[in-house]
Amino acid sequence: AQKITQTQPGMFVQEKEAVTLDCTYDTSDPSYGLFWYKQPSSGEMIFLIYQGSYDQQNATEGRYSLNFQKARKSANLVISASQLGDSAMYFCAMRYSSNTGKLIFGQGTTLQVKP
Amino acid sequence: EAEVAQSPRYKITEKSQAVAFWCDPISGHATLYWYRQILGQGPELLVQFQDESVVDDSQLPKDRFSAERLKGVDSTLKIQPAELGDSAMYLCASSFSGGDTGELFFGEGSRLTVL
Repeated sequence: AQKITQTQPGMFVQEKEAVTLDCTYDTSDPSYGLFWYKQPSSGEMIFLIYQGSYDQQNATEGRYSLNFQKARKSANLVISASQLGDSAMYFCAMRYSSNTGKLIFGQGTTLQVKP
Repeated sequence: EAEVAQSPRYKITEKSQAVAFWCDPISGHATLYWYRQILGQGPELLVQFQDESVVDDSQLPKDRFSAERLKGVDSTLKIQPAELGDSAMYLCASSFSGGDTGELFFGEGSRLTVL
């Protein structure tokens, strides 16, 4: 069965430093997509970055990059130069081609950026 | 500001009462999702619509929950009767079928407290 696992319930990082949030997934489907979302305390889920299973290069979006290791089934999010506004809950999610577009989410990681 | 509109933002109700949530997706998005997010956990899909048709309601507790999207635009999620365990954030999302990534765009959510 398809599954997303985030093993870090909470993380701390110093402002301006980089941080890596872990995500592993399990699927037997060869075609899938991986997403990261940010959820501030306001509740809205904000899309950050996407990686397709056939993409040859790791995705990057500004300060966000996705460390995609297909053989290990991992899709870690790297945030460079952390800012205080990065403090939030972060969710890894997966879409697999056998369904109709829905995402399944991990349990999330709470990131706190220290000044 | 989120372009997926949800209301109400907050709802407090007593158990056994009826409650309803409304969602207006981004214009042109044919797919609409209702997710439930229990505090400290990742969102879980309740129901997915393609236009006005339900394509996945396998996780919807149909004895008390109902959802409709009569004209294929806005949607209503109803709970009757509400139970203590229904306390959660109810997130609505929409997606554009022809997009590159198929990312979901979320509203700010409706936070339900059942007393």
